[in-house]
Amino acid sequence: GAGVSQTPSNKVTEKGKYVELRCDPISGHTALYWYRQSLGQGPEFLIYFQGTGAADDSGLPNDRFFAVRPEGSVSTLKIQRTERGDSAMYLCASSLAGGIQETQYFGPGTRLLVL
Amino acid sequence: DAKTTQPPSMDCAEGRAANLPCNHSTISGNEYVYWYRQIHSQGPQYIIHGLKNNETNEMASLIITEDRKSSTLILPHATLRDTAVYYCIVRVSGYALNFGKGTSLLVTP
Repeated sequence: GAGVSQTPSNKVTEKGKYVELRCDPISGHTALYWYRQSLGQGPEFLIYFQGTGAADDSGLPNDRFFAVRPEGSVSTLKIQRTERGDSAMYLCASSLAGGIQETQYFGPGTRLLVL
Repeated sequence: DAKTTQPPSMDCAEGRAANLPCNHSTISGNEYVYWYRQIHSQGPQYIIHGLKNNETNEMASLIITEDRKSSTLILPHATLRDTAVYYCIVRVSGYALNFGKGTSLLVTP
């Protein structure tokens, strides 16, 4: 079956611009996660959705970052007033539910470059 | 979540078993051990997980010591396509995987 998909695969923008990154989870998965990975580091948690609501957004670095999942499926990560330090790989994952035994399946990521 | 310690890098000859260690000495009774890997420029790929017992699937085996303070991921016959960063994650909460820096495994011909 189809896995997690993310679009675009690459995004180049200029400092100060607004960007949106999209994630399509595996069909039927109620839990969705966003992570960010800087070069040479492991992925770091940003936000977790259970259904339509953000159950934990403690990993969002500041108020320029925002994510939505209005219908409990597709999610969009939004970054306002981008900075060069936002350049990273943004990864989305989904799981059937949000429990400890639920395996998270990752998408291919969106590589964001802020010039 | 408990902290994990992994060697930064390892080499393995193609066709041989790759044994990747992970220390998690502060693990508690209800924490699972998960392994993911990340091939260059791709998203992390789930490999295997376990709580107390050893586990095996089509990709790998996971050996957890009786005191649960360490574990070993075994790739029985490594191929060049197994070259990747391998992450050992101890998980207690329902989300927020803590990846750390992992072990960079290089499989050589």
